[in-house]
Amino acid sequence: EPEVTQTPSHQVTQMGQEVILRCVPISNHLYFYWYRQILGQKVEFLVSFYNNEISEKSEIFDDQFSVERPDGSNFTLKIRSTKLEDSAMYFCASSDDPNPNQPQHFGDGTRLSIL
Amino acid sequence: GQNIDQPTEMTATEGAIVQINCTYQTSGFNGLFWYQQHAGEAPTFLSYNVLDGLEEKGRFSSFLSRSKGYSYLLLKELQMKDSASYLCAVRAPGSNYQLIWGAGTKLIIKP
Repeated sequence: EPEVTQTPSHQVTQMGQEVILRCVPISNHLYFYWYRQILGQKVEFLVSFYNNEISEKSEIFDDQFSVERPDGSNFTLKIRSTKLEDSAMYFCASSDDPNPNQPQHFGDGTRLSIL
Repeated sequence: GQNIDQPTEMTATEGAIVQINCTYQTSGFNGLFWYQQHAGEAPTFLSYNVLDGLEEKGRFSSFLSRSKGYSYLLLKELQMKDSASYLCAVRAPGSNYQLIWGAGTKLIIKP
């Protein structure tokens, strides 16, 4: 069964540095999402992306964050000038339709640790 | 504002039935989801309800009452592998994509 893949599985970065989290969505999917989950806390929506542009974003997704689909397969989340509170698990998800009957498929996540 | 409440933790016995409740308060309603999340892993879609009533999928069923702002996930014939967190999420009002998540219910299955 096709799946969403994320790399790396664990990223350790010094505070203030930039980090890029990578995702390869399921190949025929058109809608892409990033979520984060701070350890022991709720999953939080960050952003959705369709047709090469952001369709929705949450309050968390401020100027520190950006997303890009640099080619036909990758979907990246860039975090500039990382802060300690950015430490979390970041999940990428994709769907072939925003219709809720078509569920979002999640990758296994990237654990980001900011030192 | 939006709020989703679930019990923090539940314990059940292998082979038994368990019901996990979720109540929500949102300024509108646009669908409710249940996801399963094993520790350290990604959430996995279980069910979606937008109309009142029961949706059954094998051992798992989900129920919705929009007038009461209430849903439950029913798990039958529990197996040890069902030990996981179960996340209730609602589609944000006016949104096509954004999900608002509950904190999850950690389900512990005992032999």
